Amino acid sequence: DARVTQTPRHKVTEMGQEVTMRCQPILGHNTVFWYRQTMMQGLELLAYFRNRAPLDDSGMPKDRFSAEMPDATLATLKIQPSEPRDSAVYFCASGKGALNSNQPQHFGDGTRLSIL
Amino acid sequence: DQQVKQNSPSLSVQEGRISILNCDYTNSMFDYFLWYKKYPAEGPTFLISISSIKDKNEDGRFTVFLNKSAKHLSLHIVPSQPGDSAVYFCAASGSTNAGKSTFGDGTTLTVKP
Repeated sequence: DARVTQTPRHKVTEMGQEVTMRCQPILGHNTVFWYRQTMMQGLELLAYFRNRAPLDDSGMPKDRFSAEMPDATLATLKIQPSEPRDSAVYFCASGKGALNSNQPQHFGDGTRLSIL
Repeated sequence: DQQVKQNSPSLSVQEGRISILNCDYTNSMFDYFLWYKKYPAEGPTFLISISSIKDKNEDGRFTVFLNKSAKHLSLHIVPSQPGDSAVYFCAASGSTNAGKSTFGDGTTLTVKP
């Protein structure tokens, strides 16, 4: 089965450092989503792309977070500078379909981020 | 304001019995609902969905019921198995929001042998 691949799986770094998380969506999928899951909360949508164009990043702290899709096979989520409150599991998901299509999302296994 | 709510953080049932997980939503624009299952250290995986034109969808041991007037849906698992122990997320989307889903906080199901 095709899978969404996320790297790294784990990241521990010190406050103030730049963090880059990568995601390879499933080939042929045209939507990519970034979510954050903290201990006490569900899946919080940070940003999503359709056909590599950002559609909504309203859930993302703009001052330190940025999301890009340099090409159809790579999505990145960067945090600079990182803070302890950014510690969470970050999931990438991809899907396919037309603009008004309701299709399930396929998730990667996440990047567990710890900011010391 | 949380638009999708799963009010029970956890549920414990005996193997072979029915598990019922509940979800409420507030946005009347939602017209498609999904359930995902998540095991520890893995990403969520799609389980079953239902469109607002239906009130029931069944797939093997899993059935989702939708009550639009009450803005409520539920996932029934019969019979429950120990391998069903996981976190279950309810998600909702609207046909005008480009496939974006809003997730609940999840319910942890434990099925005891």
